[in-house]
Amino acid sequence: DTEVTQTPKHLVMGMTNKKSLKCEQHMGHRAMYWYKQKAKKPPELMFVYSYEKLSINESVPSRFSPECPNSSLLNLHLHALQPEDSALYLCASSHLRQTPAGTDTQYFGPGTRLTVL
Amino acid sequence: GENVEQHPSTLSVQEGDSAVIKCTYSDSASNYFPWYKQELGKRPQLIIDIRSNVGEKKDQRIAVTLNKTAKHFSLHITETQPEDSAVYFCAMNGGSQGNLIFGKGTKLSVKP
Repeated sequence: DTEVTQTPKHLVMGMTNKKSLKCEQHMGHRAMYWYKQKAKKPPELMFVYSYEKLSINESVPSRFSPECPNSSLLNLHLHALQPEDSALYLCASSHLRQTPAGTDTQYFGPGTRLTVL
Repeated sequence: GENVEQHPSTLSVQEGDSAVIKCTYSDSASNYFPWYKQELGKRPQLIIDIRSNVGEKKDQRIAVTLNKTAKHFSLHITETQPEDSAVYFCAMNGGSQGNLIFGKGTKLSVKP
């Protein structure tokens, strides 16, 4: 099973709301990622979790708060977002094998399309 | 910083023709180069990848070549079909955590 799932598929929220995005994988991957993708642009890395610990935070504003409760789950908590935060939020996962032949394949979830009013 | 340049940004071909998309990179330490296909409103889907210990990899109509000396890698699609129409992203690994750095994408249109 090479599936990463994300919920919800669509989310509309006001600037004062608090909401959460969820991601799940059961492939035994120990690296999980959040990417943000604006229309007609490539995915941009936001956060990386390795062995359930935050290892990379790409200078993301504090209104985005990631959480990795266990090795299969990744959340992204949203609070006081701005309209410019509207985008497709993609979760991905991979093994953390590092060899001279390169890193492991990264699999993406279907994304959550977020609209901030 | 680490960067990958992708060309062309748009590509239009006739059904049955070949399509080639090229990416160049600057970080010599990069050793993993995947290609993703993204259809409108859908997730990026891995179509092929290549690691630094090989120069070419093929999967049916899709092939990828890697030139580590020149720091470029290319996607080749032969006998294109209308369902190949999508945005294609090249990527490379950007660090020890496995995170990917993406090119800006190529919008491929295959005309019947």
